[in-house]
Amino acid sequence: EDQVTQSPEALRLQEGESSSLNCSYTVSGLRGLFWYRQDPGKGPEFLFTLYSAGEEKEKERLKATLTKKESFLHITAPKPEDSATYLCARRNQGGKLIFGQGTELSVKP
Amino acid sequence: DVKVTQSSRYLVKRTGEKVFLECVQDMDHENMFWYRQDPGLGLRLIYFSYDVKMKEKGDIPEGYSVSREKKERFSLILESASTNQTSMYLCASSPERLGGYTFGSGTRLTVV
Repeated sequence: EDQVTQSPEALRLQEGESSSLNCSYTVSGLRGLFWYRQDPGKGPEFLFTLYSAGEEKEKERLKATLTKKESFLHITAPKPEDSATYLCARRNQGGKLIFGQGTELSVKP
Repeated sequence: DVKVTQSSRYLVKRTGEKVFLECVQDMDHENMFWYRQDPGLGLRLIYFSYDVKMKEKGDIPEGYSVSREKKERFSLILESASTNQTSMYLCASSPERLGGYTFGSGTRLTVV
């Protein structure tokens, strides 16, 4: 069964305190690993797509990496405006995205 | 900038009412999707469509139906709303089966 598990469920950081979010998935032919950001009351906003182990992508303070079993979203020197829920999803064999439950990140000044 | 527009941000309906949630995309995308999002359950796929007049059931289709008469519009229908359908509903589209999704802003539906 396709599953995506994100950890931790919630993460509280001080401004400037770097950390990582984890996304692990069942391995059966990965066809893309996606990261989204979701602000309260809004739809998810696309951040990154990763396709193969070893691939990395960066955007401002965020860097996404991919191994054979998991992906990490590294947040370097976060700011309060980085507070949001971060969703990870994998594409299954049928082509649809299967989402994890998200990590709620809170960055305090 | 590409857009997926959901007709209502907030909606309150009574139990038993027929409810229509509308979604329009301006990107000429082939594929459209309806998800619901609930605390602790994440995003769950209700229905999707890979072409006009085509629809397929997702993981939780019970109590819902959809309509796609035009490429740009994908409607979610609650035939007889129930309180357990209170949720955030998210529409998304993608250009191809392997493309990323663009989401709308969501409709928070409350059934009383």
